[in-house]
Amino acid sequence: GDSVTQMEGPVTLSEEAFLTINCTYTATGYPSLFWYVQYPGEGLQLLLKATKADDKGSNKGFEATYRKETTSFHLEKGSVQVSDSAVYFCALLYNQGGKLIFGQGTELSVKP
Amino acid sequence: GAGVSQSPSNKVTEKGKDVELRCDPISGHTALYWYRQSLGQGLEFLIYFQGNSAPDKSGLPSDRFSAERTGGSVSTLTIQRTQQEDSAVYLCASSLSPGGASYNEQFFGPGTRLTVL
Repeated sequence: GDSVTQMEGPVTLSEEAFLTINCTYTATGYPSLFWYVQYPGEGLQLLLKATKADDKGSNKGFEATYRKETTSFHLEKGSVQVSDSAVYFCALLYNQGGKLIFGQGTELSVKP
Repeated sequence: GAGVSQSPSNKVTEKGKDVELRCDPISGHTALYWYRQSLGQGLEFLIYFQGNSAPDKSGLPSDRFSAERTGGSVSTLTIQRTQQEDSAVYLCASSLSPGGASYNEQFFGPGTRLTVL
């Protein structure tokens, strides 16, 4: 079945460091791909999305490119801030019915 | 309301009791989803509603779990004879219409934290 695999956390970085969180997927057909973020004490929020191969989603300095050849959607940010500390979830859209399939989440902690 | 709301925010119950969790979606959103977030299993899909019908119930873990939606709006997730493994955060989301070729963002509520003693 369809699935999403993320790198394990927690990831701890210093402020202004470069961030990569790896995400790979297994799916039939051509899913849409997403990154969701959950800040401490808050609900899940959509961070960015890409709906077809080679699309790049971007938001708040974060970017991810839909790579069909490697079935990947890695999240990157050039310079993280303390306020980016959160749990990040990679997800794919199961085309029948809009069901999201999530990875296990990666906790990011950014230290000043 | 401005966003998806869920109640209660926290629920502590004893093993064997029944619980009801409520979700109020964003007004006008026709699709509604329930997910479960637990330490061992991550974020799992439970059930999806389009209007008042549930085309996909494939994520409900057992027949102790059921859900309904009335008036194309409020949804209730019911867990009967709760077990300790049911302890988790139950998340509700809504979207304008189901995903697929024309994806509509799913907006999530804050969740209900269920603890079964």
